[in-house]
Amino acid sequence: DTGVSQDPRHKITKRGQNVTFRCDPISEHNRLYWYRQTLGQGPEFLTYFQNEAQLEKSRLLSDRFSAERPKGSFSTLEIQRTEQGDSAMYLCASSPGPGRSYEQYFGPGTRLTVT
Amino acid sequence: QQQVKQSPQSLIVQKGGISIINCAYENTAFDYFPWYQQFPGKGPALLIAIRPDVSEKKEGRFTISFNKSAKQFSLHIMDSQPGDSATYFCAASKPGGYQKVTFGIGTKLQVIP
Repeated sequence: DTGVSQDPRHKITKRGQNVTFRCDPISEHNRLYWYRQTLGQGPEFLTYFQNEAQLEKSRLLSDRFSAERPKGSFSTLEIQRTEQGDSAMYLCASSPGPGRSYEQYFGPGTRLTVT
Repeated sequence: QQQVKQSPQSLIVQKGGISIINCAYENTAFDYFPWYQQFPGKGPALLIAIRPDVSEKKEGRFTISFNKSAKQFSLHIMDSQPGDSATYFCAASKPGGYQKVTFGIGTKLQVIP
């Protein structure tokens, strides 16, 4: 299966710790998105990469959050000094280039619990 | 401000019945309206999508109806099956450099035998 993969699937951390999540998109997709989903809500956009360039960041992405996609392939999302309000499912999605960029394929997500 | 409003938030349908989920949007710049299906512990999966230049799109048992003047669209699941039990999200996207998807709140569908 060559779908979007995310690692880890679950992360439990104590408040104040740093965490890092990884996303591997579908190999031929040059567009990558991060979303956050809390219980009972739809996913909310966090940030977008085209190749290695981060082109858009949501206001939801505070300065404790940083995302990278160093070689235009996998991406990482780091949260520093985690807070209980950061507990959520973090979803990664990828899409093909122009003409099909509307089609976003989601990974299984990383569920973060901050205690 | 919720740009895509979805209802109902939960729905129980008998096997073989029709499930109907409704969405409304405010921003007329939206030009792509996908529906996603999400099972517990999984990411959302693209189910079916429509552009506003058509009023209906059908794929198997799933149909999107679109009313551009009313800024409303809906998902109909015909002959609903227990395996359709999942959370369904309507969404909308604008044209431009990237396609950030704005999701509705979701509808938890339960199909009972």
